[in-house]
Amino acid sequence: DAKTTQPTSMDCAEGRAANLPCNHSTISGNEYVYWYRQIHSQGPQYIIHGLKNNETNEMASLIITEDRKSSTLILPHATLRDTAVYYCIGARIYNQGGKLIFGQGTELSVKP
Amino acid sequence: NAGVTQTPKFRVLKTGQSMTLLCAQDMNHEYMYWYRQDPGMGLRLIHYSVGEGTTAKGEVPDGYNVSRLKKQNFLLGLESAAPSQTSVYFCASSYAGGGNIQYFGAGTRLSVL
Repeated sequence: DAKTTQPTSMDCAEGRAANLPCNHSTISGNEYVYWYRQIHSQGPQYIIHGLKNNETNEMASLIITEDRKSSTLILPHATLRDTAVYYCIGARIYNQGGKLIFGQGTELSVKP
Repeated sequence: NAGVTQTPKFRVLKTGQSMTLLCAQDMNHEYMYWYRQDPGMGLRLIHYSVGEGTTAKGEVPDGYNVSRLKKQNFLLGLESAAPSQTSVYFCASSYAGGGNIQYFGAGTRLSVL
């Protein structure tokens, strides 16, 4: 599985867009990029995933560079409830056994 | 629709005691997983199951046993608890073929004294 690198922490003002970067320069052609978040004292929550095209759902947008070496998770209008640790994970789509490598993630603090 | 439910939420054990953590899911998922999370270590996979009656070892299986007698339940057992097993335990489930989109429970906080 691809090794990912994320900043340790970021701040964002409430109501503004939060842009969380992830570097995955070793990602292989059959690996997707997955994003999860973990709000304090809760279990991780799946957000979004993508292969090479940009993706959007009700929670966030995912922008993947053309060379697939990095991506950005965008929370368009961050709220205080978006304060959490965000994990970027590279994994093959048919990943029997669920070997997701969560790493240390980015601690996002949304401030009023 | 409860999703993934873990019981108990908290537990304190003495060294050498045994206990079982229960995970139940109501989404008819084929795959289920047990993770532990320690400060500064991220989540680590203990054991997983790809179907009723089947289990497999993950990254850190030593000291734990699991059973999946029913599709909706996945049990994690500690036969002789050690202080090193003090951790937060998370259960998750997913559809077959969609193993990377996992739904997690709220966790069990276990302290072994």
